[in-house]
Amino acid sequence: DAGVIQSPRHEVTEMGQEVTLRCKPISGHNSLFWYRQTMMRGLELLIYFNNNVPIDDSGMPEDRFSAKMPNASFSTLKIQPSEPRDSAVYFCASSFRVRLGAWVNEQYFGPGTRLTVT
Amino acid sequence: SQQGEEDPQALSIQEGENATMNCSYKTSINNLQWYRQNSGRGLVHLILIRSNEREKHSGRLRVTLDTSKKSSSLLITASRAADTASYFCATGRKETSGSRLTFGEGTQLTVNP
Repeated sequence: DAGVIQSPRHEVTEMGQEVTLRCKPISGHNSLFWYRQTMMRGLELLIYFNNNVPIDDSGMPEDRFSAKMPNASFSTLKIQPSEPRDSAVYFCASSFRVRLGAWVNEQYFGPGTRLTVT
Repeated sequence: SQQGEEDPQALSIQEGENATMNCSYKTSINNLQWYRQNSGRGLVHLILIRSNEREKHSGRLRVTLDTSKKSSSLLITASRAADTASYFCATGRKETSGSRLTFGEGTQLTVNP
């Protein structure tokens, strides 16, 4: 398997522009997570999905952020409009969760998208 | 304080020495995991220990978990220059059925050749 795939790897955009980050999880995984990493705040969970359904989006900073998972093999994280404080590395991770209440399995991270908003 | 705090924040050792990193947490957990992150890369899962386990080994890695003290340690034996990376502990909480993980701020390990 190719692992978790993220695109683009680098994105530079101007303030006010829409940014869309993409993620393809590992085939067969049923949980998907979006994280943001900065020096100041560390690694933060933004939102996660189980079986394509958003479970917890309490980490999404503002209404400017939205995430979708239309099917098991694709997810997007959109920022509209973008601001300089959104500059960070955004990671997507996936895992396989057997059943509700089961022990969590390890998460597999993508290489990340480095976003710079000027 | 945050769930999953690593200690120390930075550690510098010589190749061949052992490296020990600690993690403390505050709430009840059902598992604790350690991840490694090389500069500019995504996190890589190293080892998972369940709340009913006390010690686990994987190659040169040894993880301990003390739920009474809400702490864990990661020991890397016979370190190599390639072990240079940031190491994060992550906790899965019981009330969320373990789906989400809360990551600490990490320990930056430097192994000097």
